[in-house]
Amino acid sequence: ELKVEQNPLFLSMQEGKNYTIYCNYSTTSDRLYWYRQDPGKSLESLFVLLSNGAVKQEGRLMASLDTKARLSTLHITAAVHDLSATYFCAVVSGGGSYIPTFGRGTSLIVHP
Amino acid sequence: DGGITQSPKYLFRKEGQNVTLSCEQNLNHDAMYWYRQDPGQGLRLIYYSQIVNDFQKGDIAEGYSVSREKKESFPLTVTSAQKNPTAFYLCASAGGGYGYTFGSGTRLTVV
Repeated sequence: ELKVEQNPLFLSMQEGKNYTIYCNYSTTSDRLYWYRQDPGKSLESLFVLLSNGAVKQEGRLMASLDTKARLSTLHITAAVHDLSATYFCAVVSGGGSYIPTFGRGTSLIVHP
Repeated sequence: DGGITQSPKYLFRKEGQNVTLSCEQNLNHDAMYWYRQDPGQGLRLIYYSQIVNDFQKGDIAEGYSVSREKKESFPLTVTSAQKNPTAFYLCASAGGGYGYTFGSGTRLTVV
């Protein structure tokens, strides 16, 4: 059974600081996704990572994937208040089922 | 524009009542999914369907039922057997490519 663990679950940081969210998963994966969710809203797709060593960047967010370690990271550079949200990673395992399994999410609050 | 429409946005259920959440997509996607979200729990899979007239139970299917009579539609019924249905429900679809598209969600509350 595929398990996905995120840490930390809660993150309070000051504007201008850097931090990393970690996503570990338990079995071989076809691909890994990062999503953002604002309170009461749906999920917004941020990145899809398809292969070992993949790195994607958008603005102050950068995601990477290490399939050998079964680890993905979401790095936040010089955080701003607008990044406050909950961030989820989701893993699609191999075998053709194409069903995303989600981590519990990291609730990020960026303080001025 | 193509997308997924969930309705209603808010739904209130009385004890012992069945309610149905609507999910419609015009993306021509084959696969559709229902997830339940509770605070601090992430998203948990209720049911999924990879093709019309076929669907499979997810991790927390007890107390829920679905149908997939049309490619565009994947309604979820929360039955009276679901003892703790208060949650945020998200529908998603996928078809070709690598992306999953999520609806805007339905917040169900037991009154």
